[in-house]
Amino acid sequence: KNQVEQSPQSLIILEGKNCTLQCNYTVSPFSNLRWYKQDTGRGPVSLTIMTFSENTKSNGRYTATLDADTKQSSLHITASQLSDSASYICVVSDRGSTLGRLYFGRGTQLTVWP
Amino acid sequence: EADIYQTPRYLVIGTGKKITLECSQTMGHDKMYWYQQDPGMELHLIHYSYGVNSTEKGDLSSESTVSRIRTEHFPLTLESARPSHTSQYLCASSGPSRGRSLEQYFGPGTRLTVT
Repeated sequence: KNQVEQSPQSLIILEGKNCTLQCNYTVSPFSNLRWYKQDTGRGPVSLTIMTFSENTKSNGRYTATLDADTKQSSLHITASQLSDSASYICVVSDRGSTLGRLYFGRGTQLTVWP
Repeated sequence: EADIYQTPRYLVIGTGKKITLECSQTMGHDKMYWYQQDPGMELHLIHYSYGVNSTEKGDLSSESTVSRIRTEHFPLTLESARPSHTSQYLCASSGPSRGRSLEQYFGPGTRLTVT
């Protein structure tokens, strides 16, 4: 069964600190992995997209890594800001269908305190 | 920010009413999607469309229906709302070509409450 598991479920950190969010998946055949940021009451916004051959990709203070062998990904946030408070969702796409079906994790709820 | 819009943003309605959630995008994308998301849970695909006059049901069974008469417009309709339909509904689009999954752009969502 294609699944995406994220940990931790929630995380509280102080402003300025770094943190790392984890994502494990069983989706096969793998096409790409995305990290989205979803603010409360809003739609998800893409942070990074990585294909099979990419090990790391950065977007400002966000750095995603991918290990396709172990089917694990992480999202590292550097020097956190209050505006980083949101849900971070790991999404994996398969290449077994024309649609390229997306499998969503439940997200990690990050809270940044001043 | 992506040019995909949803209205209304919030809706509180009584049981048995017919409702239509609007979604429109100005990016010329051929693929559009509707997702349902409950608090703390993952997004579930309920409908999708490859293009005009193309609609398919997603992974999660839904009593809603959709139509795609114009490329930019993908409304979702509930003929008779029930409390079990209370949820957040997210519209997304991607494109322009078929094949491998491309970037999906999400709208702001509609928070529906059925009393």
